[in-house]
Amino acid sequence: EDQVTQSPEALRLQEGESSSLNCSYTVSGLRGLFWYRQDPGKGPEFLFTLYSAGEEKEKERLKATLTKKESFLHITAPKPEDSATYLCAVDTGRRALTFGSGTRLQVQP
Amino acid sequence: GAGVSQSPSNKVTEKGKDVELRCDPISGHTALYWYRQSLGQGLEFLIYFQGNSAPDKSGLPSDRFSAERTGGSVSTLTIQRTQQEDSAVYLCASSAGLVGELFFGEGSRLTVL
Repeated sequence: EDQVTQSPEALRLQEGESSSLNCSYTVSGLRGLFWYRQDPGKGPEFLFTLYSAGEEKEKERLKATLTKKESFLHITAPKPEDSATYLCAVDTGRRALTFGSGTRLQVQP
Repeated sequence: GAGVSQSPSNKVTEKGKDVELRCDPISGHTALYWYRQSLGQGLEFLIYFQGNSAPDKSGLPSDRFSAERTGGSVSTLTIQRTQQEDSAVYLCASSAGLVGELFFGEGSRLTVL
């Protein structure tokens, strides 16, 4: 069975304090890994797609990387508006994505 | 609005009642998904529609759950004889075809008393 595990469950940072979120996966045949951001009371919002080990994607203060076993979402000099739950998901060829349970990030000013 | 629209945004019902949740996807999106999110949990896949193909119902937790998509557009998720464990946020998403790049609605929060 495909498994996606995210850590930590929650992370509190000071504004400007860089850190990384982890998404480890155990799947049979990864076709793609995806990062989403979810604000309270909202649906998830797509951020990145990663297809192969070594690939990196960047958007503003966020950078996503992928290895054969895990993905990291690096947050550089975060701001309070980066506070959200970050979800990762994998595509293994089934029609539906398998999501992790998310990391709840809080950035304090 | 160009986004995915869901209604109602909140629904409180009594145990044993039936509920219907509606999803209006982005115009032109051929794929439509239903997911369920319980408090503090990840998203649990329920059902997937792609064009005129038979839906993938492999995620439906019991035969009390059903969904249909009319005219390749609007979808309705029906839960019969609701139970307290059905309480969750039900999220709908649509996609133009790129696997993984889903556009989600804001969800329907269901509370079963």
